[in-house]
Amino acid sequence: AQKVTQAQTEISVVEKEDVTLDCVYETRDTTYYLFWYKQPPSGELVFLIRRNSFDEQNEISGRYSWNFQKSTSSFNFTITASQVVDSAVYFCALSEEDAGGTSYGKLTFGQGTILTVHP
Amino acid sequence: DTGVSQNPRHKITKRGQNVTFRCDPISEHNRLYWYRQTLGQGPEFLTYFQNEAQLEKSRLLSDRFSAERPKGSFSTLEIQRTEQGDSAMYLCASSLARAYLQETQYFGPGTRLLVL
Repeated sequence: AQKVTQAQTEISVVEKEDVTLDCVYETRDTTYYLFWYKQPPSGELVFLIRRNSFDEQNEISGRYSWNFQKSTSSFNFTITASQVVDSAVYFCALSEEDAGGTSYGKLTFGQGTILTVHP
Repeated sequence: DTGVSQNPRHKITKRGQNVTFRCDPISEHNRLYWYRQTLGQGPEFLTYFQNEAQLEKSRLLSDRFSAERPKGSFSTLEIQRTEQGDSAMYLCASSLARAYLQETQYFGPGTRLLVL
Protein backbone atom coordinates (compact mmCIF):
# COMPACT_ATOMS: atom_id res chain seq x y z
CA ALA A 1 0.00 0.00 0.00
CA GLN A 2 1.14 3.50 -0.66
CA LYS A 3 2.15 5.70 2.22
CA VAL A 4 3.51 9.20 2.70
CA THR A 5 5.33 10.32 5.84
CA GLN A 6 6.01 13.89 6.81
CA ALA A 7 7.91 13.46 10.04
CA GLN A 8 8.04 17.16 10.89
CA THR A 9 4.73 18.10 12.47
CA GLU A 10 5.61 21.75 13.03
CA ILE A 11 8.47 24.01 12.03
CA SER A 12 9.00 27.55 13.22
CA VAL A 13 11.52 29.90 11.58
CA VAL A 14 12.30 33.57 11.46
CA GLU A 15 11.80 35.47 8.24
CA LYS A 16 14.63 35.13 5.70
CA GLU A 17 15.73 31.78 7.06
CA ASP A 18 15.83 28.81 4.70
CA VAL A 19 13.62 25.87 5.63
CA THR A 20 13.36 22.32 4.31
CA LEU A 21 10.23 20.20 4.61
CA ASP A 22 10.81 16.47 4.47
CA CYS A 23 8.68 13.90 2.66
CA VAL A 24 9.29 10.15 2.51
CA TYR A 25 7.03 7.82 0.56
CA GLU A 26 6.43 4.12 0.13
CA THR A 27 5.15 2.49 -3.03
CA ARG A 28 5.50 -0.81 -4.85
CA ASP A 29 4.95 0.81 -8.22
CA THR A 30 7.79 1.78 -10.50
CA THR A 31 5.73 4.56 -12.02
CA TYR A 32 4.12 7.11 -9.76
CA TYR A 33 3.68 10.83 -9.22
CA LEU A 34 4.54 13.06 -6.30
CA PHE A 35 2.98 16.38 -5.39
CA TRP A 36 3.31 19.22 -2.93
CA TYR A 37 0.32 21.32 -1.92
CA LYS A 38 0.08 24.36 0.34
CA GLN A 39 -2.91 24.94 2.63
CA PRO A 40 -2.99 28.50 3.96
CA PRO A 41 -5.26 29.48 6.87
CA SER A 42 -8.11 30.07 4.40
CA GLY A 43 -8.21 26.28 3.94
CA GLU A 44 -7.99 25.86 0.17
CA LEU A 45 -5.29 23.47 -1.05
CA VAL A 46 -2.98 25.19 -3.53
CA PHE A 47 -0.98 23.11 -5.99
CA LEU A 48 2.77 23.72 -5.94
CA ILE A 49 4.48 21.00 -7.96
CA ARG A 50 3.97 17.65 -9.69
CA ARG A 51 6.82 15.25 -10.40
CA ASN A 52 6.80 11.82 -12.02
CA SER A 53 9.04 8.98 -10.93
CA PHE A 54 11.09 9.03 -14.11
CA ASP A 55 12.15 12.62 -13.68
CA GLU A 56 14.70 12.93 -10.91
CA GLN A 57 15.88 16.34 -11.93
CA ASN A 58 15.65 18.86 -9.12
CA GLU A 59 13.43 21.83 -9.77
CA ILE A 60 13.62 25.46 -8.73
CA SER A 61 10.79 27.93 -8.95
CA GLY A 62 11.63 31.30 -7.46
CA ARG A 63 12.26 30.77 -3.75
CA TYR A 64 10.98 27.19 -3.92
CA SER A 65 13.07 24.16 -4.78
CA TRP A 66 12.42 20.43 -4.72
CA ASN A 67 14.89 17.59 -4.26
CA PHE A 68 13.63 14.21 -5.53
CA GLN A 69 15.78 11.22 -4.58
CA LYS A 70 14.38 7.91 -5.73
CA SER A 71 17.12 5.96 -3.95
CA THR A 72 15.89 7.17 -0.57
CA SER A 73 12.20 7.56 -1.57
CA SER A 74 12.25 11.20 -0.61
CA PHE A 75 10.84 14.34 -2.16
CA ASN A 76 11.93 17.27 -0.02
CA PHE A 77 10.83 20.87 -0.40
CA THR A 78 13.01 23.88 0.44
CA ILE A 79 11.89 27.47 0.81
CA THR A 80 14.74 29.93 0.52
CA ALA A 81 14.57 33.26 2.36
CA SER A 82 11.23 32.44 3.94
CA GLN A 83 8.54 35.09 4.28
CA VAL A 84 5.60 35.49 6.63
CA VAL A 85 3.24 34.72 3.72
CA ASP A 86 4.80 31.25 3.51
CA SER A 87 3.13 30.36 6.80
CA ALA A 88 0.77 27.47 6.02
CA VAL A 89 0.38 23.72 6.23
CA TYR A 90 2.31 21.92 3.51
CA PHE A 91 1.28 18.50 2.24
CA CYS A 92 3.21 15.96 0.24
CA ALA A 93 1.11 13.50 -1.77
CA LEU A 94 1.62 10.37 -3.85
CA SER A 95 -0.38 8.96 -6.76
CA GLU A 96 -0.03 5.43 -8.10
CA GLU A 97 -1.53 3.76 -11.14
CA ASP A 98 -5.17 2.89 -10.71
CA ALA A 99 -6.58 -0.63 -10.91
CA GLY A 100 -6.77 -0.48 -14.68
CA GLY A 101 -3.11 0.36 -14.95
CA THR A 102 -3.68 2.97 -17.59
CA SER A 103 -4.08 6.10 -15.53
CA TYR A 104 -3.56 7.61 -12.14
CA GLY A 105 -6.26 8.42 -9.65
CA LYS A 106 -6.44 9.21 -5.99
CA LEU A 107 -3.84 11.06 -4.00
CA THR A 108 -2.45 9.71 -0.75
CA PHE A 109 -1.43 12.59 1.48
CA GLY A 110 1.01 12.86 4.33
CA GLN A 111 -0.12 14.36 7.62
CA GLY A 112 1.28 17.74 6.73
CA THR A 113 3.88 20.08 8.19
CA ILE A 114 2.76 23.31 9.83
CA LEU A 115 5.21 26.04 8.89
CA THR A 116 5.20 29.26 10.86
CA VAL A 117 7.40 32.11 9.70
CA HIS A 118 7.87 34.84 12.27
CA PRO A 119 8.68 38.42 11.27
CA ASP B 1 -10.79 29.34 -15.97
CA THR B 2 -13.12 29.38 -13.03
CA GLY B 3 -11.81 27.18 -10.24
CA VAL B 4 -13.54 24.37 -8.41
CA SER B 5 -16.48 25.61 -6.39
CA GLN B 6 -18.23 23.95 -3.46
CA ASN B 7 -21.48 24.72 -1.70
CA PRO B 8 -22.26 25.30 1.02
CA ARG B 9 -18.99 26.46 2.56
CA HIS B 10 -20.20 25.68 6.05
CA LYS B 11 -22.88 23.39 7.38
CA ILE B 12 -24.02 22.82 10.93
CA THR B 13 -26.46 20.01 11.50
CA LYS B 14 -27.82 17.88 14.28
CA ARG B 15 -26.93 14.26 14.65
CA GLY B 16 -29.22 12.05 12.63
CA GLN B 17 -30.00 14.61 9.94
CA ASN B 18 -29.10 14.19 6.28
CA VAL B 19 -26.82 16.64 4.50
CA THR B 20 -25.88 17.14 0.87
CA PHE B 21 -22.88 18.95 -0.54
CA ARG B 22 -22.33 20.10 -4.08
CA CYS B 23 -19.14 20.41 -6.12
CA ASP B 24 -18.76 22.13 -9.48
CA PRO B 25 -15.48 21.17 -11.14
CA ILE B 26 -13.37 23.17 -13.54
CA SER B 27 -15.18 23.04 -16.85
CA GLU B 28 -13.96 20.29 -19.20
CA HIS B 29 -12.34 18.37 -16.35
CA ASN B 30 -13.51 14.79 -16.70
CA ARG B 31 -12.44 13.60 -13.25
CA LEU B 32 -13.91 14.65 -9.95
CA TYR B 33 -12.65 13.56 -6.54
CA TRP B 34 -13.99 13.76 -3.00
CA TYR B 35 -11.70 13.83 0.03
CA ARG B 36 -12.31 14.29 3.74
CA GLN B 37 -9.96 16.16 6.05
CA THR B 38 -10.15 16.11 9.82
CA LEU B 39 -8.31 18.51 12.08
CA GLY B 40 -4.56 18.05 12.02
CA GLN B 41 -4.64 15.40 9.30
CA GLY B 42 -4.05 15.28 5.59
CA PRO B 43 -6.97 14.82 3.21
CA GLU B 44 -8.20 11.24 2.85
CA PHE B 45 -9.63 9.91 -0.37
CA LEU B 46 -13.34 9.04 -0.43
CA THR B 47 -14.33 8.45 -4.05
CA TYR B 48 -13.86 9.63 -7.59
CA PHE B 49 -15.68 9.84 -10.90
CA GLN B 50 -14.60 9.87 -14.47
CA ASN B 51 -17.39 11.60 -16.31
CA GLU B 52 -20.52 10.10 -14.72
CA ALA B 53 -18.95 6.75 -13.75
CA GLN B 54 -17.89 6.22 -10.16
CA LEU B 55 -14.57 4.42 -10.53
CA GLU B 56 -13.39 3.90 -6.98
CA LYS B 57 -14.76 4.14 -3.46
CA SER B 58 -12.72 4.11 -0.28
CA ARG B 59 -13.50 1.83 2.64
CA LEU B 60 -14.03 5.11 4.51
CA LEU B 61 -17.19 5.60 2.51
CA SER B 62 -19.75 3.82 4.65
CA ASP B 63 -23.22 2.98 3.40
CA ARG B 64 -24.44 6.26 4.88
CA PHE B 65 -22.43 8.11 2.24
CA SER B 66 -23.45 8.32 -1.39
CA ALA B 67 -22.01 10.36 -4.23
CA GLU B 68 -23.32 11.06 -7.68
CA ARG B 69 -22.24 12.84 -10.80
CA PRO B 70 -25.32 12.39 -12.95
CA LYS B 71 -24.35 14.23 -16.11
CA GLY B 72 -20.61 14.18 -15.75
CA SER B 73 -20.51 17.78 -14.61
CA PHE B 74 -21.28 18.72 -10.99
CA SER B 75 -21.30 16.15 -8.21
CA THR B 76 -23.18 15.75 -4.94
CA LEU B 77 -22.08 13.99 -1.77
CA GLU B 78 -24.85 13.01 0.61
CA ILE B 79 -24.41 11.85 4.18
CA GLN B 80 -27.44 10.19 5.73
CA ARG B 81 -28.07 9.95 9.47
CA THR B 82 -25.06 12.09 10.30
CA GLU B 83 -22.90 11.22 13.28
CA GLN B 84 -20.55 13.45 15.25
CA GLY B 85 -17.62 11.58 13.70
CA ASP B 86 -18.65 12.92 10.31
CA SER B 87 -17.56 16.40 11.36
CA ALA B 88 -14.76 17.33 8.96
CA MET B 89 -13.84 19.38 5.94
CA TYR B 90 -15.09 17.79 2.73
CA LEU B 91 -12.89 18.67 -0.22
CA CYS B 92 -13.61 18.31 -3.89
CA ALA B 93 -10.98 18.28 -6.62
CA SER B 94 -11.06 17.96 -10.38
CA SER B 95 -8.58 17.04 -13.08
CA LEU B 96 -8.34 16.29 -16.76
CA ALA B 97 -7.38 12.64 -16.87
CA ARG B 98 -5.51 11.24 -19.83
CA ALA B 99 -4.16 7.78 -20.35
CA TYR B 100 -0.79 7.10 -18.75
CA LEU B 101 -0.53 10.58 -17.31
CA GLN B 102 -1.34 12.00 -13.93
CA GLU B 103 -2.76 15.44 -14.32
CA THR B 104 -2.88 17.85 -11.43
CA GLN B 105 -5.88 17.77 -9.16
CA TYR B 106 -7.18 21.25 -8.37
CA PHE B 107 -9.06 21.63 -5.13
CA GLY B 108 -12.10 23.64 -4.15
CA PRO B 109 -12.41 25.64 -0.93
CA GLY B 110 -14.14 22.78 0.87
CA THR B 111 -17.34 22.39 2.87
CA ARG B 112 -16.84 22.39 6.61
CA LEU B 113 -19.38 20.16 8.35
CA LEU B 114 -20.12 20.29 12.06
CA VAL B 115 -22.45 17.68 13.50
CA LEU B 116 -23.84 18.59 16.91
